[in-house]
Amino acid sequence: EVQLVESGGDLVQPGGSLRLSCAASGFTFNNYDMHWVRQVPGKGLEWVSAIGIRGDTYYPDSVKGRFTVSRENVKKSLVLQMNSLRAGDTAVYYCARWAGSYDKWGQGTLVTVSS
Amino acid sequence: SYVLTQPPSVSVAPGQTATITCGGNYIGSKNVHWYQQKPGQAPVLVVYNDSDRPSGIPERFSGSNSGDTATLIISRVEAGDEADYHCQVWDYNSDRLVVFGGGTKLTVL
Repeated sequence: EVQLVESGGDLVQPGGSLRLSCAASGFTFNNYDMHWVRQVPGKGLEWVSAIGIRGDTYYPDSVKGRFTVSRENVKKSLVLQMNSLRAGDTAVYYCARWAGSYDKWGQGTLVTVSS
Repeated sequence: SYVLTQPPSVSVAPGQTATITCGGNYIGSKNVHWYQQKPGQAPVLVVYNDSDRPSGIPERFSGSNSGDTATLIISRVEAGDEADYHCQVWDYNSDRLVVFGGGTKLTVL
């Protein structure tokens, strides 16, 4: 069974940093692009980052230069390093498997940026 | 950047057909994917590439895409279909490679 399990969400002050992890199991991790998608509670979904099977990375302008996505294929792990956090980054963060669409999602981890 | 527009809410009686639209400029030239999200849960893919269904998704879920509008159709709606539905496309020409619509709350009366 395919599973994606996020961890690392927490309360952090504005300007602070946080590292999210996503543990994958049940599939050949290094065969898939992986993404992070976030959702402000009660609002829509927003794409945050993507990493290809060769380690190529992509970000929207809203997080470019602040967030860094990486992957460790041996450990089947996806990581999102978030720096210079803002109140507007408060959201549930999901990791998702990209197979031309998001065919598998984790349950999400909550990041709250507040003083 | 590319924008997808969904109605905030749609209501339908049990047994009837629900139609949820997703508007975008020339969206018919893109592959549209639809996700169902129930309260407190992660999204679930229900239709991909405009009209294909993942395994395990009932045949009651279908989709179409033409011109400037993609549509998710849920036939014989059940109470368990009540959820938020999000459309999504891939946009090579935008800094936001992945674009989501704002989501539609489906209420089963």
